[in-house]
Amino acid sequence: KAGVTQTPRYLIKTRGQQVTLSCSPISGHRSVSWYQQTPGQGLQFLFEYFSETQRNKGNFPGRFSGRQFSNSRSEMNVSTLELGDSALYLCASTPSVDRGMGGYTFGSGTRLTVV
Amino acid sequence: EDQVTQSPEALRLQEGESSSLNCSYTVSGLRGLFWYRQDPGKGPEFLFTLYSAGEEKEKERLKATLTKKESFLHITAPKPEDSATYLCAVQATGGSYIPTFGRGTSLIVHP
Repeated sequence: KAGVTQTPRYLIKTRGQQVTLSCSPISGHRSVSWYQQTPGQGLQFLFEYFSETQRNKGNFPGRFSGRQFSNSRSEMNVSTLELGDSALYLCASTPSVDRGMGGYTFGSGTRLTVV
Repeated sequence: EDQVTQSPEALRLQEGESSSLNCSYTVSGLRGLFWYRQDPGKGPEFLFTLYSAGEEKEKERLKATLTKKESFLHITAPKPEDSATYLCAVQATGGSYIPTFGRGTSLIVHP
């Protein structure tokens, strides 16, 4: 059974640029969540998508956005990159029925470095 | 606001030296408490969900317990392959179902 797939694994971008990250959830999982992980702040929730609709949003500026497609694949976009956006971006999927109570399945993440 | 505090931040053990990791939490009402393991360069891997005080769950050398204010992850006779960062998260009743994560405990087990 394939896990959660995130691409690319590594990215180096320059301040001011934009970036798009991709996530393919486990087959049959309709809920996809995105997290930012940094050494200083730990895991911070970005947003959650279910059936192509944003169901929840964390406390991040509007430069961070996302979407979900009809096949449950999700993308997140960060515009006007800042140095502080350097982080590991993690995607997680869950079966919609349990709302995550059985645990999230995380991808290996995209390591974004902004220079 | 939900809060999760993990201690210690880092822990070094010798192989076979048992110990416990702590997760203290503050939520208006607990729907579930989760433990994850994260290896370097990878995403967190789900270990357990605990739902109510007094509950215990075990997996190999790991045993998680839950009280009304904290959870412990007991590691019995650890091996070097148990080295990882262990994350705790809580999901509160009402609201969004989004878990709040602690910052983790980095465990290193020396052979």
